[in-house]
Amino acid sequence: AQSVTQLDSHVSVSEGTPVLLRCNYSSSYSPSLFWYVQHPNKGLQLLLKYTSAATLVKGINGFEAEFKKSETSFHLTKPSAHMSDAAEYFCVVSMNRDDKIIFGKGTRLHILP
Amino acid sequence: EAGVAQSPRYKIIEKRQSVAFWCNPISGHATLYWYQQILGQGPKLLIQFQNNGVVDDSQLPKDRFSAERLKGVDSTLKIQPAKLEDSAVYLCASSLNNRGDTEAFFGQGTRLTVV
Repeated sequence: AQSVTQLDSHVSVSEGTPVLLRCNYSSSYSPSLFWYVQHPNKGLQLLLKYTSAATLVKGINGFEAEFKKSETSFHLTKPSAHMSDAAEYFCVVSMNRDDKIIFGKGTRLHILP
Repeated sequence: EAGVAQSPRYKIIEKRQSVAFWCNPISGHATLYWYQQILGQGPKLLIQFQNNGVVDDSQLPKDRFSAERLKGVDSTLKIQPAKLEDSAVYLCASSLNNRGDTEAFFGQGTRLTVV
């Protein structure tokens, strides 16, 4: 069975410093992996996705993530945080063999001025 | 491009009452999902439709929750009777197909408060 674990429920960084949001997954088959962002009172928005092509995936707003099969990880990074990045971030795993989509519990990113 | 539309945005009901939510997916999207997001948690899939057929409803509390997608377009999710623990945001999403690598587009959700 597949699962996804977001290791931190809250992350705080100062504006202009790097962001790292951690995600580990468990999957018996080749997964697709996504990161979604949810700003307060707004819908979920796709940041980026991995679907078995390049392991380093670039998304919107300067975010990127690297798929590491050996570590079963798909951590989200950004070189320099901006105040507008404050939001809830969800790591999502989906099986290519079937169509189940599993969300992590989320990581709330706080940006300190 | 129009996104996924949901209504109402907010709903407050008393326990044991019934409530219904409506979702209009992106035109041409065959797959439609309903998620329940309890405060502080990630979204949990309640039911998934492929056109007007149910693909997965394993986590839908069928004694009180029901959903339909007539004609394979719009969908409604109903709760009857509601319990306090049903307080959550109900998210509708749609995707072009049900392949695992296909992006899902989400509506803004309906925030339900049961008092």
